[in-house]
Amino acid sequence: ETGVTQTPRHLVMGMTNKKSLKCEQHLGHNAMYWYKQSAKKPLELMFVYSLEERVENNSVPSRFSPECPNSSHLFLHLHTLQPEDSALYLCASSQDGQGGYGYTFGSGTRLTVV
Amino acid sequence: QKEVEQDPGPLSVPEGAIVSLNCTYSNSAFQYFMWYRQYSRKGPELLMYTYSSGNKEDGRFTAQVDKSSKYISLFIRDSQPSDSATYLCAMSAANQAGTALIFGKGTTLSVSS
Repeated sequence: ETGVTQTPRHLVMGMTNKKSLKCEQHLGHNAMYWYKQSAKKPLELMFVYSLEERVENNSVPSRFSPECPNSSHLFLHLHTLQPEDSALYLCASSQDGQGGYGYTFGSGTRLTVV
Repeated sequence: QKEVEQDPGPLSVPEGAIVSLNCTYSNSAFQYFMWYRQYSRKGPELLMYTYSSGNKEDGRFTAQVDKSSKYISLFIRDSQPSDSATYLCAMSAANQAGTALIFGKGTTLSVSS
């Protein structure tokens, strides 16, 4: 496993469920990110946290709610999702001064909304 | 116009071929250019990184950036079946933590033995 661990690896949820995705980084990085990867589309940035503060919310629907309790952990809380939210959700981390080449990604959570 | 354009392929080549992957972009503020490789059921991993214009070589891989044309390339020499993956170009304007990377759609490459 890489220095960024995501759980669960796979998740199937109904549209009325509430679930959470978890990301943990063991690299001492001080920025963490959520990206959404859908087929035939570029990775879409959802949220950015730097030093545990949210610095960007890229017009993401409120049914996605991030939480960053400390610099090592990042959560994505999900509720009342839609089928079009089915995708691979990737977490990444980076260190100040290495925002470009320092990204380390997790293996992602494959989410299916039924 | 999308910020980053990348032909999604798929691209199929025989083993030993030279592969050329390309991206174009519109934002002249981009200074940091990366190529990520993503195997099936895995997250992207950094393959090459270049700052500003120029070439960078690492083994069988060469990254080129032409800022005047807003065009970046990745060349793979002597391609191997293990190179079969999706290649994502990415770029950013700054280098601080919290800087978002802007990605292309990715090009799927298949190298046959």
